[in-house]
Amino acid sequence: DTEVTQTPKHLVMGMTNKKSLKCEQHMGHRAMYWYKQKAKKPPELMFVYSYEKLSINESVPSRFSPECPNSSLLNLHLHALQPEDSALYLCASSREDSLFTEAFFGQGTRLTVV
Amino acid sequence: DAKTTQPNSMESNEEEPVHLPCNHSTISGTDYIHWYRQLPSQGPEYVIHGLTSNVNNRMASLAIAEDRKSSTLILHRATLRDAAVYYCILRDVLNYGGSQGNLIFGKGTKLSVKP
Repeated sequence: DTEVTQTPKHLVMGMTNKKSLKCEQHMGHRAMYWYKQKAKKPPELMFVYSYEKLSINESVPSRFSPECPNSSLLNLHLHALQPEDSALYLCASSREDSLFTEAFFGQGTRLTVV
Repeated sequence: DAKTTQPNSMESNEEEPVHLPCNHSTISGTDYIHWYRQLPSQGPEYVIHGLTSNVNNRMASLAIAEDRKSSTLILHRATLRDAAVYYCILRDVLNYGGSQGNLIFGKGTKLSVKP
């Protein structure tokens, strides 16, 4: 199983809503990532978790709150988002020594904030 | 600051080889060169990586210049399924815990394949 599964695939939310994006992998990877991708732009790194601990936060606004409840799951909690936060949110995972191996990406959640 | 420079777009004919260039003139001795691609409506996928020597795998070949200031991703026979954005990324092995050790995507090259 080399899949990273993201749910939901599509999400429309209002600016006052609270929602969560979910990401799951069963490859035994101990590093997991969130990226944000706007249309026709490259993915931008948001957060990195290593062994269930947040290791990198790329100055992401607090309305995005990541959580890693166990080694297989990664959540991104969303609250009070703005329309400019509409984007494709990608989750990825890799082995801890990932400089020498590949990262696996999910298909993403396409988020629209109205 | 961008660490890699790639052409915005390239075109290829189906079943012909494709050479995708990447310039990284400020590469350090501890930077690994990684290539990923992103097909339309999909997440990125790993293609290949290397440090100094040329590398081959089932998807592609990576040719690295002797001074490491540039590299070329080679698709030996392009298919329509290879139409994607190709990203050349440097990852610093000494900075794994920091941003520079992670996958930081540049603008990439959009490859179109004509039948």
